[in-house]
Order: sequence, then structure tokens, then C-alpha cells
Amino acid sequence: AQKVTQAQTEISVVEKEDVTLDCVYETRDTTYYLFWYKQPPSGELVFLIRRNSFDEQNEISGRYSWNFQKSTSSFNFTITASQVVDSAVYFCALSAVPVANFGNEKLTFGTGTRLTIIP
Amino acid sequence: DAGITQSPRHKVTETGTPVTLRCHQTENHRYMYWYRQDPGHGLRLIHYSYGVKDTDKGEVSDGYSVSRSKTEDFLLTLESATSSQTSVYFCAIRGRHEQFFGPGTRLTVL
Repeated sequence: AQKVTQAQTEISVVEKEDVTLDCVYETRDTTYYLFWYKQPPSGELVFLIRRNSFDEQNEISGRYSWNFQKSTSSFNFTITASQVVDSAVYFCALSAVPVANFGNEKLTFGTGTRLTIIP
Repeated sequence: DAGITQSPRHKVTETGTPVTLRCHQTENHRYMYWYRQDPGHGLRLIHYSYGVKDTDKGEVSDGYSVSRSKTEDFLLTLESATSSQTSVYFCAIRGRHEQFFGPGTRLTVL
């Protein structure tokens, strides 16, 4: 069984501070994908990143960066110089890489972290 | 924009009534999914489809059925709605590398 834990239920930081959202996962699969999604107050789900389990390179996209560590089963997300527009609920998710029906990825989500950026 | 819509966007119904939610996509994607979102649970997979008339159960499928008679439409049916099925329902399609989600349907069962 797969499991994703986002232990931080809510985080509040002052604008321009850096903030890290934690994600710890459990899986028996040797190959898997990890994802982050953003859900702003408007309610839609916005894809941020997908990472393969065999690619442990950290990734940076503008103010966003992701730290993937297989040794600790973690896929943490850092926002640098946070802005009010970053206020949202952030979800980490996991899927096995399917052997049959390649492409059929069933996501297991964490419970989300509500991030509030205080102006 | 992945061309995915959901209808209705909001619905209030009474316990025991049947409810059908529709997910429509315009880009001929093979894989489609239904999730529900509840506080403290994140999103959980209800059912999914890997082609026309090919569907399977997800993590929380009890009380739900699905149908996919054509590629573009994936229907989720609550045969007899219960208050525990009050939730926000999201449909998703598998794009090139990730799942894209529809705007969601907020369902309230009184």
C-alpha cells in the first residue's frame, strides 16, 4: 500500500520569507512518480511538478525548488521569497509506474498543507 | 488548459436520491479518473477508466458506479446518495506527463 504524509497541516509566514513544505512517502514499488499540486482559494488543482523515482536531482523553477531524497523517502518543496499569491493548499502525491496500461497512474495524495502568506 | 469540464458545478440533493456527475474532455485522452476531496483526507480515488467501457475501482468505490460509453465522457453515479457522500468531486485526465483536473463539483447531500 502507498501512503503520503504531509505532517504540516497549516503554515503561516510573512511575505518574502522562505518556506518549506514537507512530504514523506511510503511505497513498496521500486519505480514510482512523485507530484506536487497547488490548490488556490478558487479551488482548482494546478500541477506543479512530477519527479521519477530514479531521478534524484533537485529541481528549481523560479522561486520554487524541490528536494527529492530517496534515502529518507522525502520530496520537500521550498518557496523562496514567498508572495501573497503563494497562499494555497499544497498537495504531495505518489503513483506507481504501471506495468500494464502504461500511463494509468492512480495518485495517492497527502492530506495537504495550507500555506498562508501574510502581507 | 486540458479541455476538461464537469457538470453540474454545484448540486444539492436529498438522501436516497440518485445523482450523476459528468466529466467531459475534448482531447481524446485514454485515462480518466474520479476523485473526492474531503477535509483531512486530501483527494481519494473513487474509480478510473482506461478506455471506453473499461473501468475499475479505486480506494473509495463503495456507493459509486461509473460508465464510459465514449472516450470524451466519464460519468459518476451515486445510486442512492448518503450524507457521507457530501464532498467535492474532481475528474482528472492523464495528459502527457501528469494528471489534469477539472474544476470540481460540489455535492451536498441533505
